[in-house]
Amino acid sequence: ETGVTQTPRHLVMGMTNKKSLKCEQHLGHNAMYWYKQSAKKPLELMFVYSLEERVENNSVPSRFSPECPNSSHLFLHLHTLQPEDSALYLCASSQYRDTSNSPLHFGNGTRLTVT
Amino acid sequence: GQSLEQPSEVTAVEGAIVQINCTYQTSGFYGLSWYQQHDGGAPTFLSYNALDGLEETGRFSSFLSRSDSYGYLLLQELQMKDSASYFCAVRLVSGNTPLVFGKGTRLSVIA
Repeated sequence: ETGVTQTPRHLVMGMTNKKSLKCEQHLGHNAMYWYKQSAKKPLELMFVYSLEERVENNSVPSRFSPECPNSSHLFLHLHTLQPEDSALYLCASSQYRDTSNSPLHFGNGTRLTVT
Repeated sequence: GQSLEQPSEVTAVEGAIVQINCTYQTSGFYGLSWYQQHDGGAPTFLSYNALDGLEETGRFSSFLSRSDSYGYLLLQELQMKDSASYFCAVRLVSGNTPLVFGKGTRLSVIA
């Protein structure tokens, strides 16, 4: 139990579908993140929210749309994805956005397959 | 650009000691972190070196040398459960990126 819960654990979707990934943190943290993890590649930061305000958007295609309704919940809305978007999507939180002394706490991720 | 280099795979025997190196090319960063990820699991924080030198936490130690652009994670008394991927990460001084991660080292502990 990491304190960060992601649903669903696995998702298979066609390129024309619309789906959403959900993340909830029970740690009272102020910052939340979406990362993409692909085989043989470093973890790629997608979005950062601090106190429910988006502070980072790492040139992510518009087919990925984040939403942070409150400091405990984070969503990633998906539409018209491509097969190369298949990956493990990890949500994380930290006490503060400054992660120098505030480690990331990750969820177990959503394994996404785009067919 | 900024990059961190780690070996892709390491194999070691149960009970032994293994060192996972991380070399980096970056103009400036606050410190070096290490994360562990078991198959199908979440990355979990292991250690953080803000200053040069050795930090010890039980069987795991982490080292940083800024002058050599180099750090390592040392695992002692290896156990089968230590089989996992290990990632080094830095927070850059410039920009707002929280952490930049290496590609990870897959450690296999064998009997």
